[in-house]
Amino acid sequence: GESVGLHLPTLSVQEGDNSIINCAYSNSASDYFIWYKQESGKGPQFIIDIRSNMDKRQGQRVTVLLNKTVKHLSLQIAATQPGDSAVYFCAENAGGTSYGKLTFGQGTILTVHP
Amino acid sequence: DADVTQTPRNRITKTGKRIMLECSQTKGHDRMYWYRQDPGLGLRLIYYSFDVKDINKGEISDGYSVSRQAQAKFSLSLESAIPNQTALYFCATAGPAVDNEQFFGPGTRLTVL
Repeated sequence: GESVGLHLPTLSVQEGDNSIINCAYSNSASDYFIWYKQESGKGPQFIIDIRSNMDKRQGQRVTVLLNKTVKHLSLQIAATQPGDSAVYFCAENAGGTSYGKLTFGQGTILTVHP
Repeated sequence: DADVTQTPRNRITKTGKRIMLECSQTKGHDRMYWYRQDPGLGLRLIYYSFDVKDINKGEISDGYSVSRQAQAKFSLSLESAIPNQTALYFCATAGPAVDNEQFFGPGTRLTVL
C-alpha cells in the first residue's frame, strides 16, 4: 500500500517575522521553478516563479532565490501574517521530454502565530 | 479559482464502482492536468493533455483513464474504484508557454470505502 501520514517539514513563526522556506530539487536540467501556496480545503495558488537564468526574483512581500550550484530554491516571506499560514510547495519544470509538466516537492507547513 | 471548476467537490463511493470526476475551465487554455494529493505528500501527476487530441500518462496513471471532450473539459475516470484511490484530486490548466504557471481547481475529495 501507499505510505500515509508522512510528516511534512514545519515552520512556526511569529506574526511580523520573516519566514524562509527551503526546497531542494533533484533535476539539474530543470529550468523553471514555481512556489505555490495551498490553504486548507483549497487548490494550490501561484505565488512566484523564477527561470533558471535568474538567481533572485521579488514580488510583493515574497522573494525567491535560486542556487543552481547546489540545486536549492528558497521562498522568503517578509513580515509574515497569520493569513500566510498554509502549506507551501515548490515545483520544477525540467523541459525536454518533461515539457509542460511540473514535479512538486513534498511541501512545508507554515504556521504564523499572532 | 473560479476559472477552473471541478465536480463533484466531495464523493463517497464503494469499492468496484465507476467514478467520473469532471473539470471545466474558462481560461481558454489548451493544457490541462489531473493530479492526486495524499496526506503528507505533494501532488502527483495522473494524466495530462496539451490539446483536445493529445492525452499523456503521468507518473501514476494505473487505475485511471481520462477524456478530453473539448478544450474546456477534461474528465478523470476510475473504472473500478479501490480504497487506495481515496485522495484529493486536483485539475489544473496552463497556457502554451513553457514557463506558464498552472492554475488549479478547488479539488475533489474522493473516499472509496
